[in-house]
Amino acid sequence: NAGVTQTPKFRVLKTGQSMTLLCAQDMNHEYMYWYRQDPGMGLRLIHYSVGEGTTAKGEVPDGYNVSRLKKQNFLLGLESAAPSQTSVYFCASSRGPIGYTFGSGTRLTVV
Amino acid sequence: AQSVTQLDSHVSVSEGTPVLLRCNYSSSYSPSLFWYVQHPNKGLQLLLKYTSAATLVKGINGFEAEFKKSETSFHLTKPSAHMSDAAEYFCVVSDSSYNNNDMRFGAGTRLTVKP
Repeated sequence: NAGVTQTPKFRVLKTGQSMTLLCAQDMNHEYMYWYRQDPGMGLRLIHYSVGEGTTAKGEVPDGYNVSRLKKQNFLLGLESAAPSQTSVYFCASSRGPIGYTFGSGTRLTVV
Repeated sequence: AQSVTQLDSHVSVSEGTPVLLRCNYSSSYSPSLFWYVQHPNKGLQLLLKYTSAATLVKGINGFEAEFKKSETSFHLTKPSAHMSDAAEYFCVVSDSSYNNNDMRFGAGTRLTVKP
């Protein structure tokens, strides 16, 4: 089925480790986004991309990096994980500026 | 900057009774407003959206919401709750009709449906 696929679905990291979350969409969408979801805070935008080769900071970008080398993929990197980055991470994509298709999320725990 | 407040963190209803999930927003412009639903361990799914057309917006699964500018509200309703409606619901506001990165999410309302 067409949609947004996130890998991995679950991960436990030790403080200071690095990792990359992968988001892939097969809908030929231009826009892609990374959000984090924390209890009682809704979703907050980390980084986003309006097209291949472009990225921009969102509301809470510190501690994260992203890359959009291919239109269908949007990678989120944590260079040195911290317990404050324990969260559920959602990727989303959209054809234009309004409306999202969300992935099913990645649950990350940093110990 | 725009913001949204969901007035109830948890709502509990009995199956077959009406659902009301409340959302107030703050915006400097004519906002776009959305309701998303999230079932356990799933991504968010768009229920409905308001983008300056009709103030009463109908969505999927029998949900609807009314944009009331004078009250800065966008409450979500459904006449009769079903067990499958149990989920987390997010109200979202955007100042821009052309830019997803301006969207702001509410903290969410968890809907419980009792048999």
